[in-house]
Amino acid sequence: AQSVTQLDSQVPVFEEAPVELRCNYSSSVSVYLFWYVQYPNQGLQLLLKYLSGSTLVKGINGFEAEFNKSQTSFHLRKPSVHISDTAEYFCAVSDKAGTALIFGKGTTLSVSS
Amino acid sequence: KAGVTQTPRYLIKTRGQQVTLSCSPISGHRSVSWYQQTPGQGLQFLFEYFSETQRNKGNFPGRFSGRQFSNSRSEMNVSTLELGDSALYLCASSSLDRGIGNIQYFGAGTRLSVL
Repeated sequence: AQSVTQLDSQVPVFEEAPVELRCNYSSSVSVYLFWYVQYPNQGLQLLLKYLSGSTLVKGINGFEAEFNKSQTSFHLRKPSVHISDTAEYFCAVSDKAGTALIFGKGTTLSVSS
Repeated sequence: KAGVTQTPRYLIKTRGQQVTLSCSPISGHRSVSWYQQTPGQGLQFLFEYFSETQRNKGNFPGRFSGRQFSNSRSEMNVSTLELGDSALYLCASSSLDRGIGNIQYFGAGTRLSVL
């Protein structure tokens, strides 16, 4: 069975500071990894994905993530955050079949000025 | 291209009633998945349909059911509603069959409140 652990439920940061949202996964098979963002009263928007190839993946809005197979991690980073990045972020995993996503509990990123 | 459309956006029902939620996938997408989001349990997979067939199912009671039509539109039904069914129900569609590149795109969700 697969599982996802997001290590921080809330991350407060100041505008223009760097941020890292941590995600660890557990799986006995090869997986695909995703980060989604959810703004209030909205659905989920795909930020970035790791399917294969380069372990450093770049997404939208200046976010990037690094897949580390030995540490089973897929941490999300942004070098300088904006107020508009305030949202909830979800890490997710699927097996190679890709029909069901297993989500972490989410991390609330709060950016203040 | 239009995104995933879910209707209605909000619903209020009472215990014991049943409810039907609708999802129109992105044009050309043949796979539709449903998820339940609650503050306590987070995001949980309900089921996935592809070409009118349920391919995968999460760990939910039989009160939760779904179907997919020939145009890939999907509905989910919850019978005998319980207070704990109050949640945001999200639909996601994807374009490819199983395998690499099966990326799910989400709708805005239907918020169901059970009183």
